[in-house]
Amino acid sequence: NAGVMQNPRHLVRRRGQEARLRCSPMKGHSHVYWYRQLPEEGLKFMVYLQKENIIDESGMPKERFSAEFPKEGPSILRIQQVVRGDSAAYFCASSGTQETQYFGPGTRLLVL
Amino acid sequence: QKEVEQDPGPLSVPEGAIVSLNCTYSNSAFQYFMWYRQYSRKGPELLMYTYSSGNKEDGRFTAQVDKSSKYISLFIRDSQPSDSATYLCAMIIIQGAQKLVFGQGTRLTINP
Repeated sequence: NAGVMQNPRHLVRRRGQEARLRCSPMKGHSHVYWYRQLPEEGLKFMVYLQKENIIDESGMPKERFSAEFPKEGPSILRIQQVVRGDSAAYFCASSGTQETQYFGPGTRLLVL
Repeated sequence: QKEVEQDPGPLSVPEGAIVSLNCTYSNSAFQYFMWYRQYSRKGPELLMYTYSSGNKEDGRFTAQVDKSSKYISLFIRDSQPSDSATYLCAMIIIQGAQKLVFGQGTRLTINP
């Protein structure tokens, strides 16, 4: 019974490149959430998706960031034209019920 | 003022001690309260979640919620070196955004 899976675990990009982060929710879960954790800070909500729908993107920067959760395949968080300030750990969580969210191992993005 | 306040520590205690971790919050609309444990460079692991005011026990862990004071606690009895981690409180409003709001996390070290 696999948990939430994220890949890659580590990602290095140069300024201006695109970063694409993937998340496969736990089996049977239809709710996906993305959070960002900056060094020495707690997790901050970015976006909440269900299959083919963005439910809440209030925590996502208006520019360069986008997310999707297609009918088939993993959820994708895309960051275009990355800057050094995007360096962080990005965590995906999934839930079946609305109150309990289970987290993946995260993708650590480093922008050079 | 942050919605959720948590002392970042660090907190260092001897093995076998009782540990008390606390969070305060300002938004009375929060309905569910969680505690996550995060080991270094890993994803958050759900420890406990509670809905109503009062205590909930699971092995060596007890979660306590006082909605009238907007105060939650996690107690760890007979602490072990393997409990050394960062502990994050989180809370959620079910209607609407579905997003978890986290405290900053308390870094805990249990000394053998």
